[in-house]
Amino acid sequence: ETGVTQSPTHLIKTRGQQVTLRCSSQSGHNTVSWYQQALGQGPQFIFQYYREEENGRGNFPPRFSGLQFPNYSSELNVNALELDDSALYLCASSYITEETQYFGPGTRLLVL
Amino acid sequence: QKEVEQNSGPLSVPEGAIASLNCTYSDRGSQSFFWYRQYSGKSPELIMSIYSNGDKEDGRFTAQLNKASQYVSLLIRDSQPSDSATYLCAVHFGNEKLTFGTGTRLTIIP
Repeated sequence: ETGVTQSPTHLIKTRGQQVTLRCSSQSGHNTVSWYQQALGQGPQFIFQYYREEENGRGNFPPRFSGLQFPNYSSELNVNALELDDSALYLCASSYITEETQYFGPGTRLLVL
Repeated sequence: QKEVEQNSGPLSVPEGAIASLNCTYSDRGSQSFFWYRQYSGKSPELIMSIYSNGDKEDGRFTAQLNKASQYVSLLIRDSQPSDSATYLCAVHFGNEKLTFGTGTRLTIIP
């Protein structure tokens, strides 16, 4: 176990709805990264948060947004859900000075 | 576009044999390389990290890095059925974030 937790574990939404996913980082880690993993694919980087600010973003539209809180926990928000947003959403925590990332168990999102 | 390429498999290896997983990457300036194991329905689990050319061993696992050839591999000795999983290669490209390959599905045959 990495000490990174995510909630909820599973979620079903309908197209057009909004969703919020949550992540608590491993103790002492100050950086949280979010990834989307579609079935049969590798994780795709969405964005990273450090010191409560976005610290890098992948090729995802603005309807994907996030927050980081003073305790380093983080949220991923997705607006106007599309069918293709169905995926496993992974949170990974790390130190900003290190590149090794440790993943939480993930949230599986199904958009109908 | 920074890319990480892996053979998607499936790769089938008899129990007790050596499994060899390969990965190539597009950016010669890459400095950090990682192997993650992902069981079906679970999240990726870090197995190895490697930063310098050559071999790095940890138990039954050996990571090999050749920056000149832009190639990184993972060897699993004495393969066990519990090693059956998808293995993800990940590369840190300079100031950009971690980029993953699509993974190689490994099956160990008892």
